[in-house]
Amino acid sequence: EAGVAQSPRYKIIEKRQSVAFWCNPISGHATLYWYQQILGQGPKLLIQFQNNGVVDDSQLPKDRFSAERLKGVDSTLKIQPAKLEDSAVYLCASSLSEGPYEQYFGPGTRLTVT
Amino acid sequence: DAKTTQPNSMESNEEEPVHLPCNHSTISGTDYIHWYRQLPSQGPEYVIHGLTSNVNNRMASLAIAEDRKSSTLILHRATLRDAAVYYCILRLNNNDMRFGAGTRLTVKP
Repeated sequence: EAGVAQSPRYKIIEKRQSVAFWCNPISGHATLYWYQQILGQGPKLLIQFQNNGVVDDSQLPKDRFSAERLKGVDSTLKIQPAKLEDSAVYLCASSLSEGPYEQYFGPGTRLTVT
Repeated sequence: DAKTTQPNSMESNEEEPVHLPCNHSTISGTDYIHWYRQLPSQGPEYVIHGLTSNVNNRMASLAIAEDRKSSTLILHRATLRDAAVYYCILRLNNNDMRFGAGTRLTVKP
């Protein structure tokens, strides 16, 4: 079974530029998550989708971050404009459905904002 | 949010058992106890979870206190590959998963 795919793996941008990350979850998984992990900290949930609907985006900085999952499969996370403090690893995860199911994580995208 | 408390770091010798503690004194009756681990430069991976009874799987065992205010993840024979950050997480049925800082486990050969 293929795992969660993410691209790119690494990205370096200057502040005030925009960037987009892509995630392809495990086939058949209805729930998709985006996390932000700052160096030395645990992952922080940014947004959760159930199929193509948003379940929880309470921790998403909506003035600069946006995410979509148009057909209930792939998802993109965008930052516009980026700030220095956005430097982090962005992790995508998926699970079979809502509920205390196991979450499967992708390898993440390491973003450096200079 | 229900919170967990874990030691920042622990050390173990290879092929010896490791007991990773977690305190969760504010746990509610519907919170599941989940453990994930994160190897260097990888995303977290699921280890084990439980509600009230002790649980075993191929990776580890989870011992849950009778009052559920604490739990212990047990790795029966640590290997170098088990060196990782281990996260203890309380989860409600709604799938909410909030990570803390975790315990960094170092395994010495």
